[in-house]
Formats: sequence, C-alpha cells, structure tokens
Amino acid sequence: NAGVTQTPKFQVLKTGQSMTLQCAQDMNHNSMYWYRQDPGMGLRLIYYSASEGTTDKGEVPNGYNVSRLNKREFSLRLESAAPSQTSVYFCASSELDVVVTNEKLFFGSGTQLSVL
Amino acid sequence: ILNVEQSPQSLHVQEGDSTNFTCSFPSSNFYALHWYRWETAKSPEALFVMTLNGDEKKKGRISATLNTKEGYSYLYIKGSQPEDSATYLCASPMIYNQGGKLIFGQGTELSVKP
Repeated sequence: NAGVTQTPKFQVLKTGQSMTLQCAQDMNHNSMYWYRQDPGMGLRLIYYSASEGTTDKGEVPNGYNVSRLNKREFSLRLESAAPSQTSVYFCASSELDVVVTNEKLFFGSGTQLSVL
Repeated sequence: ILNVEQSPQSLHVQEGDSTNFTCSFPSSNFYALHWYRWETAKSPEALFVMTLNGDEKKKGRISATLNTKEGYSYLYIKGSQPEDSATYLCASPMIYNQGGKLIFGQGTELSVKP
C-alpha cells in the first residue's frame, strides 16, 4: 500500500526561486494537510483541505499557496522561496477532517527543503 | 492559541529501561489527544487517539493514559529497545468558530542505547 506519497524527497533552492511540492494519497481520504517541521517547534499546519474543492489557512500560511487538484492530490507551492522556509515538509491525510472526527493522520515521508 | 507542551525534549535511556514522558494541554474545551511516533527518515505514524478522561490505550510495550481534567497525558514504554528510538509527538485539536486545527507539541526525542 502506497498510502501518502510526497515528491521530491530533497530539494535545494536559491532565494527567490519557486517550486511545487506534490502530494498524493490512495486511501480515498477526504481531508489533506501540509505541515512543516522545524527543530524545537513541533509540526505546524501550513494549509489544509477538509474536502475536495476547499482549502483553508493553517498556523503559518504566509509565503505558500495550495491547490487541491482532485480528491487524491494536494500540492504546496512556494512562489518565491526564502531562507526562513528551510524546513521539513510533511503532507498528511485523513478520511474526514481530523479535528471534527478524532481520526488519526496518515503522513507522507517528508520533503527536506533547503533555501540558500 | 492552544498550547500543547511536551517534556522532556529529549531522553536517553539504556536498553531494557522503562521510560515515560508527558504531554500537557489546556483542560478546557478538550476534544482529543493524539500520539504519533516519528522515526528519522520515515513518516510519523499514529500510536493512539484518546478522547475519554481516564482512558488507557496499549500497543505492544507502549501505553498511554489520559487525564482531561488536569490536562495531561503520559506515554509509557516498558523495557525500551533500540528500535523504540524516535521522536514522540502529541497533538490536540483547537476548535474555533470557522473550523479547527490539530496543534502539535514540540516532541520528545527518545534515544535507546544498546
């Protein structure tokens, strides 16, 4: 079972460059999420999509945009990368909105992004 | 803002030791408490989702308890093994009028030495 697949696994960008992180899940989940993990900070929610066709801001949305392309795919775009966006990014999914239903999250393997 | 805090930040134990660590959260407006295990270079994986005061859950040598009245959860590992080395994350939902977010603590990094 593939579960949640993220690409790429590693990426190095120069300040000002743009890129899109891709995420796809094959579990027929309705809700998808993008988190970033920084040392000592825990996982912080960037954006989420409670269901296909909807997206909402999380705790740290500035500098990012998202697209819920279809039920399976949820992409995260950095339009003009900054060193402060150096982080490990995780995509996650759940059958329904994890906040409302108390379901668990299923995570991808992460993308390690460095912005120089 | 809901603060979810974990202690200690890191823990080093010997193989065979039993250990425990804490997740603290505001006791008002409690909905649920999640525990996740994150091994380096792997995906975080859910251990438990707990909702009821006094709840206890167990998965192999790992167990967790929940006290919603005082706002804490303990995660216990009995007879730690090197493969238990990981970061353990807890999280709790923050609900507001327009929706909600799952707020994570900063994690407890466990290292088990053979």
